[in-house]
Formats: sequence, structure tokens, C-alpha cells
Amino acid sequence: QKEVEQDPGPLSVPEGAIVSLNCTYSNSAFQYFMWYRQYSRKGPELLMYTYSSGNKEDGRFTAQVDKSSKYISLFIRDSQPSDSATYLCAMEGGSEKLVFGKGTKLTVNP
Amino acid sequence: KAGVTQTPRYLIKTRGQQVTLSCSPISGHRSVSWYQQTPGQGLQFLFEYFSETQRNKGNFPGRFSGRQFSNSRSEMNVSTLELGDSALYLCASSSRQGGGTQYFGPGTRLLVL
Repeated sequence: QKEVEQDPGPLSVPEGAIVSLNCTYSNSAFQYFMWYRQYSRKGPELLMYTYSSGNKEDGRFTAQVDKSSKYISLFIRDSQPSDSATYLCAMEGGSEKLVFGKGTKLTVNP
Repeated sequence: KAGVTQTPRYLIKTRGQQVTLSCSPISGHRSVSWYQQTPGQGLQFLFEYFSETQRNKGNFPGRFSGRQFSNSRSEMNVSTLELGDSALYLCASSSRQGGGTQYFGPGTRLLVL
């Protein structure tokens, strides 16, 4: 079983839709959870960083962590074509290194 | 602040050759981590350097090595290149050792023929 599982998609939604991206993990030592966005031919950029169960909101983005279920989500409200990118979840804990999901490719159609 | 820079951006090599990639972290950041990104395996951790010392290492063969200089700039070397080494190599800098908020460079795309 991989430490971090992420559905690769691809996911295609119309502009304005609510997008839900998810990751599951198996390592109970993970304490810090991140979401990165990666545009084509660019490096990943950090979107959200959280370390506790519950929700964290930043503009149109909400990160949700459920440690009891080992499940994290990223919600994007009012999605825009500029949100089209690959979204990577990442986790840290125990080994002092980030472990990434494989990424979900999102396309938002105008 | 200037972001993380990587050189070169693109590289074509043949099997058996070696390659050196360079990374300049954000000013003030002492941690540099290297990752390999491929469509099949995703982002995989290679190693982390902090204050010129390798602090952590992923599951890659010894052909992959690195170093960090006193100004925190880092280089990664791959010797005896194989076709499977074709990938996007990313470096990320952080103000602290061992993960945390990492800021990525644009990557070096390596093609091995």
C-alpha cells in the first residue's frame, strides 16, 4: 500500500463549478498536510498548509483534514479556467521529508 | 525576494554520460531538497541538504549524488545516465530542515537518449 494515494483524474469541470480533490494516506505519523498547484512546465507552488484536523480557508480554496479517516481534501469554489493545473497533495511526519501524491490533473472549461 | 532558480532548464544527454544540475535557493534559506518527477512515479524525494550536509536521502541508487556550498547553492549529479533517468528534476528550498514550507524552482528537464 502506497503511503499517499491520489486519484490522477483527469478531472474536467465547467467554469464556476465546485471542485473536490482528495488524498488518502496510511502513515499515522503524518502531521503536516499541504496542497501544491503545478502548471504545465512549471514547478509546484504551495497553495495550502495545515497541521490540524478541520478546515482551513483561503479565498476560494478550502483545505480539509480528517486524521481519524486519514483523508484530506481541497475544495475550489467558483472554479476558473486559470485553476486548470495539476494539484498535488503532500504530507510530512516522522521521516522529515515530504511525501507527495501523484497529482490530479484538473481542467476548468470556460 | 527572488525565487528558486535552476540551471539549465533543458538538457539532452546520451546513456552513460553524466550530468550536473544547479539550484540556487531563496535568499536566507539553508535547506535544499531535490526531487525527481516522472509521469509514472510522480514526485520522488532524492535528498536534502542543510548547512552543507546531507540530512536525508530517498531510495535512489548511488549514481545520484549532490552537494551544497557555503552560500546554500546546491548541485545534483547523476553519473552513468540511463534512459529511465529522463525526468523533470526539481529543487525546493526551505528555511528549516526536514520538510515544512518548501518553495520549488521551475525544474530542469533531462532527456536521456
